Amino acid sequence: DGGITQSPKYLFRKEGQNVTLSCEQNLNHDAMYWYRQDPGQGLRLIYYSQIVNDFQKGDIAEGYSVSREKKESFPLTVTSAQKNPTAFYLCASGDAGFNEQFFGPGTRLTVL
Amino acid sequence: QQQVKQSPQSLIVQKGGISIINCAYENTAFDYFPWYQQFPGKGPALLIAIRPDVSEKKEGRFTISFNKSAKQFSLHIMDSQPGDSATYFCAASWAAGNKLTFGGGTRVLVKP
Repeated sequence: DGGITQSPKYLFRKEGQNVTLSCEQNLNHDAMYWYRQDPGQGLRLIYYSQIVNDFQKGDIAEGYSVSREKKESFPLTVTSAQKNPTAFYLCASGDAGFNEQFFGPGTRLTVL
Repeated sequence: QQQVKQSPQSLIVQKGGISIINCAYENTAFDYFPWYQQFPGKGPALLIAIRPDVSEKKEGRFTISFNKSAKQFSLHIMDSQPGDSATYFCAASWAAGNKLTFGGGTRVLVKP
């Protein structure tokens, strides 16, 4: 099946710990994105990457880091510097040069 | 700066009725306007999208109306069904950046 997978579905973290969220796609898309969604709110862009080994900050990048070593993978690390990390995290991908973005199922992160 | 404003935040419609959601944008460089549908705990799914060279696009029961001069666009859900109960997000982007800017979302409840 083609698509975007995110793991884990639920993640719990203690304060002060870093945690990495996985995002994999087999759609051969060049561009990948990470969004954060808080209850009752819209999606806010954290980081995006349009090509391997390159990525740009989005609107709320502070406290997050990413890497793009492979075309199909775009992991997101939530660091201890992120003051309010509890949220629903969504990964998306799309063809570079086209606007359509397709979303994964999301990871719900809860800080205990 | 919120560049895409969406209204209403929520609406209730009877089965068979019409749901109307409105969005307004500020950035005149935007040239792609998608609507996403999201069910609880799931990632958003692309529903329908429009570009500024047309004023209306219809796909099944879903229609986008676009008013370039007013910098507004809207989603109409005709013959609303209980299965349409979800949160709907408008978004906008421009070709160069490929980033999506989302509205705040509208929670739609269709009563049987």
